[in-house]
Amino acid sequence: AIQLTQSPSSLSASVGDRVTITCRASQGISSALAWYQQKPGKAPKLLIYDASSLESGVPSRFSGSGSGTDFTLTISSLQPEDFATYYCQQFNSYPRAFGGGTKVEIK
Amino acid sequence: EVQLVESGGGLVKPGGSLRLSCAASGFTFSSYSMNWVRQAPGKGLEWVSSISSSSSYIYYADSVKGRFTISRDNAKNSLYLQMNSLRAEDTAVYYCARGIDIWGQGTMVTVSS
Repeated sequence: AIQLTQSPSSLSASVGDRVTITCRASQGISSALAWYQQKPGKAPKLLIYDASSLESGVPSRFSGSGSGTDFTLTISSLQPEDFATYYCQQFNSYPRAFGGGTKVEIK
Repeated sequence: EVQLVESGGGLVKPGGSLRLSCAASGFTFSSYSMNWVRQAPGKGLEWVSSISSSSSYIYYADSVKGRFTISRDNAKNSLYLQMNSLRAEDTAVYYCARGIDIWGQGTMVTVSS
């Protein structure tokens, strides 16, 4: 089974900062990766699919890159509403593993 | 409006059973694969099970294989998760999701004596 390792598990940042979150797959998954944002008590929200495609309605400050085993989610200028937990998920094969999550907190 | 609404959660004793339902609306349910994903209190997301649009392909996480059964009724626009032999570690919010893009609000399952 493919495993996804996210780093860091948490980070503190200020409004306006550039934030980068990494997701590493235990084996190659081509571009079959999605990124989600989850706020407390809410369902996850899709941000990025196919590693780098922005979901409709998602602000352009969010971007994704990578293929194979190494992937990155970047928030170009952190906004107050971006403080949340972020997860990656692979869609190359079953089981559809999630990464462990990255909690983005206010500095 | 595209919507998924889960129901059926609650408190159940270890070893008990529960059936979750997910009602879909606002899209052609029969065209999409569907998933169940759970989240234990304070923990990350865990994929549980997936079913293809025509029920031809079904997959389970090892943690629930042999105890949980996913099914769907395309005529009723509904997805189900039959959960048997429940354990304390199955305690979680259970989400249904359309592919990767649409998620329900979740239903809480608590397994405790």
